[in-house]
Amino acid sequence: GNSVTQMEGPVTLSEEAFLTINCTYTATGYPSLFWYVQYPGEGLQLLLKATKADDKGSNKGFEATYRKETTSFHLEKGSVQVSDSAVYFCALSGGYGGSQGNLIFGKGTKLSVKP
Amino acid sequence: DAGVTQSPTHLIKTRGQQVTLRCSPKSGHDTVSWYQQALGQGPQFIFQYYEEEERQRGNFPDRFSGHQFPNYSSELNVNALLLGDSALYLCASSGGQGTYNEQFFGPGTRLTVL
Repeated sequence: GNSVTQMEGPVTLSEEAFLTINCTYTATGYPSLFWYVQYPGEGLQLLLKATKADDKGSNKGFEATYRKETTSFHLEKGSVQVSDSAVYFCALSGGYGGSQGNLIFGKGTKLSVKP
Repeated sequence: DAGVTQSPTHLIKTRGQQVTLRCSPKSGHDTVSWYQQALGQGPQFIFQYYEEEERQRGNFPDRFSGHQFPNYSSELNVNALLLGDSALYLCASSGGQGTYNEQFFGPGTRLTVL
């Protein structure tokens, strides 16, 4: 079945450092890909999404490109801030045999940014 | 405009009991999905409701059941609670039929089973 694998955390960075969180997926067809963020004590918020190969999702300085050839959707940010400290989840929906309404999540990567 | 709301915030039950969790979707949304998030894990899809019917279901036993009301709010019921049911239960709402529509998540209900 469809699945998502993302890098283990926690990740600790200094402010203004470059961030990469790796995410790879297993799915047939063309699923939609998402990054969600969960701040402490809050629900999940959609950070960005891409619905077809080579699409780049971007929001708040974060970017991720849908790479079908490598089945990846890595999250990047050029300069992180303390306020970016949160747990980041990679997710997919759809694809052959998958449902558009059912999100499949990775285990999450906790990011801590130190001043 | 209120977002997705869930009640209660926290709940403590003992094994074998039954629990009901509630969710009110974001204004204008008609589809509600429920997810279980165990500690340190990503959310897992339980089921989705649209037009008061269960449209999709994840790999959860029949002990997990739900309902959607005419005002689109929803309940998640869990019978015969097990220790392993301890988790954060997230409700998400979306517009249309849940296809390619952003799912907006509530803050969750933290269930502890003793």
